[in-house]
Amino acid sequence: DTGVSQNPRHKITKRGQNVTFRCDPISEHNRLYWYRQTLGQGPEFLTYFQNEAQLEKSRLLSDRFSAERPKGSFSTLEIQRTEQGDSAMYLCASSFPGDGTLAFFGQGTRLTVV
Amino acid sequence: AQSVTQLGSHVSVSEGALVLLRCNYSSSVPPYLFWYVQYPNQGLQLLLKYTSAATLVKGINDFEAEFKKSETSFHLTKPSAHMSDAAEYFCAVNSMGQGGKLIFGQGTELSVKP
Repeated sequence: DTGVSQNPRHKITKRGQNVTFRCDPISEHNRLYWYRQTLGQGPEFLTYFQNEAQLEKSRLLSDRFSAERPKGSFSTLEIQRTEQGDSAMYLCASSFPGDGTLAFFGQGTRLTVV
Repeated sequence: AQSVTQLGSHVSVSEGALVLLRCNYSSSVPPYLFWYVQYPNQGLQLLLKYTSAATLVKGINDFEAEFKKSETSFHLTKPSAHMSDAAEYFCAVNSMGQGGKLIFGQGTELSVKP
């Protein structure tokens, strides 16, 4: 296992289109997190899963965003009707359960909405 | 609510000089604290973390940080900067009961001059 894997690395889409990103966590990690990072800012928490259960969603996650982790392994993040303000780096991280446990991050998917 | 403030969005040092990146946190409960580094178009890599053991934490690449509860600080230092240290550095906090999600500061960009 080489770490957290995210695909695609880059995505350019036209405004109004739907996009989906995939995250494959480290295999023995049952927690999975999504963050969004805009230019010049730190990552902002979006949502997290423990196994297949989505346990928390940020207010940043509007109704155009949906995340799933159907079998407790990989996760997808879908953005419907993309807007220019959705342009950002979307980061996935995984960890063991526990508040102070180490989160390992993927390399991110950079979304550009034109 | 937890928060992190990184003082100085940009720090410039000469190669071989001391690196000091400042981080102050706010948390109503004992925090777990982290420093991550991010290279351009990459994900985040953990440098070190504090989880209520020793207050002086050593990390990778000769970085270390000291937890000072009285000052609510967790500053990152390195005795001698190397050109390869040039990157964006993020301080993050995760308080107990928060499900492992991280609250990040806005980041400090470190430049290293030859």
